[in-house]
Amino acid sequence: DVKVTQSSRYLVKRTGEKVFLECVQDMDHENMFWYRQDPGLGLRLIYFSYDVKMKEKGDIPEGYSVSREKKERFSLILESASTNQTSMYLCASSSDRELYGYTFGSGTRLTVV
Amino acid sequence: AQSVSQHNHHVILSEAASLELGCNYSYGGTVNLFWYVQYPGQHLQLLLKYFSGDPLVKGIKGFEAEFIKSKFSFNLRKPSVQWSDTAEYFCAVNAESNDYKLSFGAGTTVTVRA
Repeated sequence: DVKVTQSSRYLVKRTGEKVFLECVQDMDHENMFWYRQDPGLGLRLIYFSYDVKMKEKGDIPEGYSVSREKKERFSLILESASTNQTSMYLCASSSDRELYGYTFGSGTRLTVV
Repeated sequence: AQSVSQHNHHVILSEAASLELGCNYSYGGTVNLFWYVQYPGQHLQLLLKYFSGDPLVKGIKGFEAEFIKSKFSFNLRKPSVQWSDTAEYFCAVNAESNDYKLSFGAGTTVTVRA
């Protein structure tokens, strides 16, 4: 079964900490995405990547950065965590051959205190 | 701003009732349309999708959706819900005008009472 794996299900971090959220997919997908999910707001796109070492800003990139050094791994970085970044973070991937078929990970619930 | 709108925030139904969830989008040009479901504690799953062809699309678990281009709508329906349909439902759109990035509505929580 194909998978998108997010390294942590729950994280608690302190304000000002640097936070890394890791996502790995085993489907050889070219495209990877980071969303955050908040009640009443749905899913909002933070960053995405269509290729290794490539990144593009989504709708809400402020306060975040990403890294894609290998095809299968896409990391989301919070340079200095703030309480308004408390959220559920979802990683997704898709193939160029089926660009519209996104596979989602289980999510990481991040709490910044 | 271009967006995806879901009309209801929370819907409460009894088992065997019919369900219809509204979704409207504001993107012009070519669009692809999706409904995702998230059961409690689980990851997002694709219910159905529309790319082209018959505007009435059938998905998993007895769900269907109808694309009405003139109304920019893609409403989700199920004739008879079950308790196990309790979940959050998200409409999503990717559009040529938005570089085919997948944009989501705010979601509708559906609670089915036994």
